[in-house]
Amino acid sequence: DADVTQTPRNRITKTGKRIMLECSQTKGHDRMYWYRQDPGLGLRLIYYSFDVKDINKGEISDGYSVSRQAQAKFSLSLESAIPNQTALYFCATSDTGQGYEKLFFGSGTQLSVL
Amino acid sequence: AQKITQTQPGMFVQEKEAVTLDCTYDTSDQSYGLFWYKQPSSGEMIFLIYQGSYDEQNATEGRYSLNFQKARKSANLVISASQLGDSAMYFCAMREGSVTGGFKTIFGAGTRLFVKA
Repeated sequence: DADVTQTPRNRITKTGKRIMLECSQTKGHDRMYWYRQDPGLGLRLIYYSFDVKDINKGEISDGYSVSRQAQAKFSLSLESAIPNQTALYFCATSDTGQGYEKLFFGSGTQLSVL
Repeated sequence: AQKITQTQPGMFVQEKEAVTLDCTYDTSDQSYGLFWYKQPSSGEMIFLIYQGSYDEQNATEGRYSLNFQKARKSANLVISASQLGDSAMYFCAMREGSVTGGFKTIFGAGTRLFVKA
C-alpha cells in the first residue's frame, strides 16, 4: 500500500462545480502539502500544514481551500472549479528524520475542468 | 521573481554517457537545502538527492551527483552512465524559510531528459 494516498486518481468536472481532492498518509508525518503541476511551470505550492491546527497559504491559494481533518488526512477543495484549475495535483508529506526535510509524494490527481 | 531556474526545457543524451542538468537558485537565506526529484512518465515524484547549504562536499547518490557551486548559486545534477530508464522529467527544488515562519519547498519548471539508445 502507498504511504501517501490520493483520491481520486483522475477527475473530470464542469466549471462551477465543487470538487474535493483527498489525501491520506500512513507515514506518521505532521507536515502535509498540496502542490499543483502545470507544464512549463513545475510544481507550485497551494497550501501546507505543519500540524492539525496549523494551515498556511502557499503561493497560489486563491480559489482553493483545505481541511486538515486529522494528522493523517489533508483535503483540498475547489469551491467553484474553473478551467485554469485543470492540472495535476500532488499531496506530499515531509519529515526531517535524515536531518533535512524530504518530501514524500502521492501518485497525483489529474483534474480536468471543462 | 523566479527562485529556481532550470534553463533547459529538454535535453538529449546518448545511453551510457553522462549528462548535466542545470539549476540556479536565488535566496537570501544562509541555511537552505537543494533537492532533485525525478518524475517518470508514470507521474510519480521520486527523490534523488539532497545538498545542504553548509555541506562542503558535493552530494552523491549512486549515479547521481550534485555539483554545488554556492557562490554561483547553482546546483546542477550530474547523471553518469545514462540508462534508458533515466528518461523522465527532472525537477530542482529548494527548501527555504525560517524556524518562525516555517519551511517550504519550491520547485523549478523542470527539464525533460531523453536518453537515446
